[in-house]
Amino acid sequence: DAGVTQSPTHLIKTRGQHVTLRCSPISGHKSVSWYQQVLGQGPQFIFQYYEKEERGRGNFPDRFSARQFPNYSSELNVNALLLGDSALYLCASSLSGVSSYNEQFFGPGTRLTVL
Amino acid sequence: QKEVEQDPGPLSVPEGAIVSLNCTYSNSAFQYFMWYRQYSRKGPELLMYTYSSGNKEDGRFTAQVDKSSKYISLFIRDSQPSDSATYLCAPLSGGYNKLIFGAGTRLAVHP
Repeated sequence: DAGVTQSPTHLIKTRGQHVTLRCSPISGHKSVSWYQQVLGQGPQFIFQYYEKEERGRGNFPDRFSARQFPNYSSELNVNALLLGDSALYLCASSLSGVSSYNEQFFGPGTRLTVL
Repeated sequence: QKEVEQDPGPLSVPEGAIVSLNCTYSNSAFQYFMWYRQYSRKGPELLMYTYSSGNKEDGRFTAQVDKSSKYISLFIRDSQPSDSATYLCAPLSGGYNKLIFGAGTRLAVHP
């Protein structure tokens, strides 16, 4: 079975640009969460989506947005990129996770570099 | 103050050593406590988790939670070079899917 897939693997953008990152969850999983991991730090929670609705949001500015599609895949969008947005963006999928604990499975991440 | 504090290391040990990795946390409402392992240029993978206080053993790995002192530990026995990775503690916050990660401890096990 395929795990969580993310695209692209690497991305280089300049300040002020917009970026879209994509995630496909494990088949049968309905919840997707996004995390930002800056070099040398642990991942930081950005969003959780379940059944196409936002269920949780971390302490990130409105430049960050996301959505989940009917097939449960997800996109993370970041507008007006800043140098500090350079990080590894991780997607995690789980069966549910809104009513009880469900293991989160992480993808390999998208490494974003903002110049 | 960060919700989860973890010494980033790096920690270097010889093969066969017992490794102790630790975190402290501030939110007494946390009930689930995860340990993730992250190899270079990969996403984190779940090693094990515990619920509330107590110990849990899985092969060479033992996770320990002391809720009275808000202290989380992971012990690795008979460490191997393949254990070289970054280890992340992550309590689970309300809503069941929000992981609060520590900074991660970089471990190197040398032959």
